[in-house]
Formats: sequence, structure tokens, C-alpha cells
Amino acid sequence: DTAVSQTPKYLVTQMGNDKSIKCEQNLGHDTMYWYKQDSKKFLKIMFSYNNKELIINETVPNRFSPKSPDKAHLNLHINSLELGDSAVYFCASSQGRELIDEQYFGPGTRLTVT
Amino acid sequence: AQSVTQLDSQVPVFEEAPVELRCNYSSSVSVYLFWYVQYPNQGLQLLLKYLSGSTLVKGINGFEAEFNKSQTSFHLRKPSVHISDTAEYFCAVVNTGGFKTIFGAGTRLFVKA
Repeated sequence: DTAVSQTPKYLVTQMGNDKSIKCEQNLGHDTMYWYKQDSKKFLKIMFSYNNKELIINETVPNRFSPKSPDKAHLNLHINSLELGDSAVYFCASSQGRELIDEQYFGPGTRLTVT
Repeated sequence: AQSVTQLDSQVPVFEEAPVELRCNYSSSVSVYLFWYVQYPNQGLQLLLKYLSGSTLVKGINGFEAEFNKSQTSFHLRKPSVHISDTAEYFCAVVNTGGFKTIFGAGTRLFVKA
């Protein structure tokens, strides 16, 4: 069983479109995260949710909106996609809400905006 | 403000040789330190972390790292690498008391036969 899964694995779309990436964890963790890894492998945290409550919201354009229907799911919706949104997006989860708690990462979603 | 510098973008090494991946950080507050590994087409996996206590931290897969506060470094070492260690390695810091984490740009370890 995959601990943290993401769908889709690859996403190719055109500028201006709206798309969603889904994440699910079956570890029973309370906290979930979204990270963005750009083409130079630079990794940056975007959001984190603890029991469906937003606890980290880094400087991210309003076009990005996370949604957590329950603590096992954290989806990322992106409006009006731009070329600069092309990246690999990783979902992660941890038992605790602190960033020092061990995080388990999903396999990533490679988003390409053309 | 915090920053993390991984001094080498790529480190080629022969199998069974020792390796050191360097990480330096700067921060106005105390930090916790982490090393992650990312295998091709996979997410990150925690190798080890330093929170407090002994400055020599042992992690998975035979890796260890030493926290040096005076030099603000947290270098990762392995005495004998395997082909399977070929991956990208990321150093990261989390500031104490805050929800802030910064990752380094990564070091690609390439183990040659």
C-alpha cells in the first residue's frame, strides 16, 4: 500500500487553465503539506494543514488554493495557470504539526504548463 | 533570515569510497537541521535530523552528520558508498519556535562502479 499518493503523476496543460492535484495519505497522520520543486530542484514549502486547519501559508499566489476535505486528503487547486507554475509538486504528511516531525513524501506530480 | 548553502552541486565518487556532502547555514535564531535523500522520480525521504544533544547524528543507510555550531555546518558523511546511494541530497533547516523551513539547492551524489 502506498503511504502518500498523488494523482495525477503527470499533468500537461495550457496557460490560463485551471487544474487540481489530489493527495491522499493512509498513515493516519494529522498534518499534510504541499511543496513545490522547480526545474533547478529548489524545494519550497507552500502550505500545511493540521486536521483540516491551515497552519502554514507561505507567500504563494492566490491562484493556488489548498483544500482539505478530511485529514487524509489535501488537494491543490490552481487557477489561471502560468508558465512559471511548471514544477514538480510534492505532497507530504506527518503525525505532528511541527516541521521537525518526520514527513513522508508522495512521489510527486510533474506539472508542465505550455 | 535563514539560508542554506550546499557547497557542491554534484559529487562523483567511486563505489566503496567515502563521501562527504557539505552543508552550511546562516540564521539569526537557533535551528534544527535535516538531511533528506531523493531518489530519481521519487519524493524526499528523511535520512537524519539534529534537534539537540549529541552533535554526531546517525541516520539510515549508514549515513551520519555532524553539527558544528561554530562553523554553522551540518556535513553529511558515509564511509563507503554503494551504487544505490546515487541520488539527490538536500540539507534543510527549521527555525526553532517558528513554522519556517528552508531547503538547500541539493547535491547530486553520483556513485560510479
